[in-house]
Amino acid sequence: AQTVTQSQPEMSVQEAETVTLSCTYDTSESDYYLFWYKQPPSRQMILVIRQEAYKQQNATENRFSVNFQKAAKSFSLKISDSQLGDAAMYFCACLGTYKYIFGTGTRLKVLA
Amino acid sequence: GAGVSQSPSNKVTEKGKDVELRCDPISGHTALYWYRQSLGQGLEFLIYFQGNSAPDKSGLPSDRFSAERTGGSVSTLTIQRTQQEDSAVYLCASSHSAGGEKLFFGSGTQLSVL
Repeated sequence: AQTVTQSQPEMSVQEAETVTLSCTYDTSESDYYLFWYKQPPSRQMILVIRQEAYKQQNATENRFSVNFQKAAKSFSLKISDSQLGDAAMYFCACLGTYKYIFGTGTRLKVLA
Repeated sequence: GAGVSQSPSNKVTEKGKDVELRCDPISGHTALYWYRQSLGQGLEFLIYFQGNSAPDKSGLPSDRFSAERTGGSVSTLTIQRTQQEDSAVYLCASSHSAGGEKLFFGSGTQLSVL
């Protein structure tokens, strides 16, 4: 079985600052993928970043990067130079064979 | 279409009524998922369709819930005899395959059971 835990229900960051969102997971799969999705008020989930577990190198996507610690089963998201448009719910997800399991989300507030 | 389309966007119903929620995935996407998002909760897996294979229904919370996918495209999630605890956002997502590719989500249906 897979589980995904996001222990921060809400985070705040000052505009232009850096924030890190935490995620831990557990899976019995040897091959899996990890994702961060963003859900703005429109409700439509958007992929932020994706990490293949077999790759040691941390994924980056412009201002977004991850800190993937496979042994610790940790997958945190770092947002640099935060912008007002980054305000949203962020969900961490783990994909094993075909089932995506999501965490409970972290609401990110960006302060002007 | 250009994206995953869900209808209706919002649905208000009375307790005990049946509802149907529709999902039109991206053309060519073989994998289709339904998730339920309750207030303050994460996304709860409901059901998964992959091509012509038997669906994984392991997430359906009760026998009042059912889903079908016709012709490998449009999917309908049906909730019979709705209860107040069924109130939630129902999200549909599709992907080209299930091999680690990202999900494309619709905007969901907000279901309110009075």
